[in-house]
Amino acid sequence: NAGVTQTPKFQVLKTGQSMTLQCAQDMNHEYMSWYRQDPGMGLRLIHYSVGAGITDQGEVPNGYNVSRSTTEDFPLRLLSAAPSQTSVYFCAAGPRRDTQYFGPGTRLTVL
Amino acid sequence: AQSVTQPDIHITVSEGASLELRCNYSYGATPYLFWYVQSPGQGLQLLLKYFSGDTLVQGIKGFEAEFKRSQSSFNLRKPSVHWSDAAEYFCAVGAKNQGGKLIFGQGTELSVKP
Repeated sequence: NAGVTQTPKFQVLKTGQSMTLQCAQDMNHEYMSWYRQDPGMGLRLIHYSVGAGITDQGEVPNGYNVSRSTTEDFPLRLLSAAPSQTSVYFCAAGPRRDTQYFGPGTRLTVL
Repeated sequence: AQSVTQPDIHITVSEGASLELRCNYSYGATPYLFWYVQSPGQGLQLLLKYFSGDTLVQGIKGFEAEFKRSQSSFNLRKPSVHWSDAAEYFCAVGAKNQGGKLIFGQGTELSVKP
């Protein structure tokens, strides 16, 4: 039981490139979320999902897309990376909408 | 607006001393409250949570927190700090109908002196 896994651990992009951050969970949890962590700002919610086929925007959704075709996977897509998206990204999953367990994070740098 | 404030950006305590990390929230409904800990380069680990009932909640690693509705606070405490407790601590608030939308405080970095 690996819990929540994220790949890659580190990524460097050039401005305008696209990429997908992967998130998978093996706990069969309904709820999954993506957060970004920036110094002095805590974690901010980007997008979340309450089940397969259902997603919604969080606090800072601009520049990011998500989809939830299966319970296990919740990828985060950056269509055209910008330096402002340099951050550490955390995926979380939980059995209820109120309890979230976090993955190890992906550190993204956009040049 | 919903918000969480952790007034202390950085706290240093001596090993063996007691610890209290402050958390204040602003929330329209009855909040669900959480404390997470993040070690350097790691993800967040859930320490404890409050949903309802007893306002003093026990968590892992010897931590406890007390929900005080009148003060809109959910302070984290530990009677005796260990060097391994050095980490960053995040308070978060959510609600039953908010679909996993946690609002986090800015974090408090804890250093432990030998």
